Amino acid sequence: GAVVSQHPSRVICKSGTSVKIECRSLDFQATTMFWYRQFPKQSLMLMATSNEGSKATYEQGVEKDKFLINHASLTLSTLTVTSAHPEDSSFYICSARDRVFGGETQYFGPGTRLLVL
Amino acid sequence: AQTVTQSQPEMSVQEAETVTLSCTYDTSENNYYLFWYKQPPSRQMILVIRQEAYKQQNATENRFSVNFQKAAKSFSLKISDSQLGDTAMYFCAFRQGAQKLVFGQGTRLTINP
Repeated sequence: GAVVSQHPSRVICKSGTSVKIECRSLDFQATTMFWYRQFPKQSLMLMATSNEGSKATYEQGVEKDKFLINHASLTLSTLTVTSAHPEDSSFYICSARDRVFGGETQYFGPGTRLLVL
Repeated sequence: AQTVTQSQPEMSVQEAETVTLSCTYDTSENNYYLFWYKQPPSRQMILVIRQEAYKQQNATENRFSVNFQKAAKSFSLKISDSQLGDTAMYFCAFRQGAQKLVFGQGTRLTINP
């Protein structure tokens, strides 16, 4: 099956620093990638949709200047949390649609746990 | 806007039993996709099963099957011969065309030995 990787799996940073999370589709091309945030014992909250070669579309209430998304190629999207604060601590999950099979199914990365001190 | 509702926050069954997780959704569209995803303690989201709305036949994947009732907008997941490894959060999700996935609130399923 299709595999999506995320790096790093967990990161601890100081308040005020920026953190970059990478999302890669390993064995398929993904024109569209998605970034989610998940709080403990809750469902996934979509933050933004990333299309290769164009600007990301952010969900209402998500600060685009704080959560920078870049989808530079058909296999890589990055999420940068700028000037991170403790309230940004969360579990971030990326997802990608398989382009070859018409994008019917989304595959998810293993997630990144961010802790901001 | 489409919504997905999972009315069972938690469920618990004994190993080898059959369990059914409920999901209802609201849409005015005729063509769409429905999914069940599993999120075990590792928190990796895993696709369990997928159903295209235009298909009348219920999808089946080994021990997992769905009961898709389009008119009732219901999409339940049945797990047969449940195993300890089935313990996870289960999310029902809806997607219309190329739009975003809409997730339900999740059902926490525990399989007891």
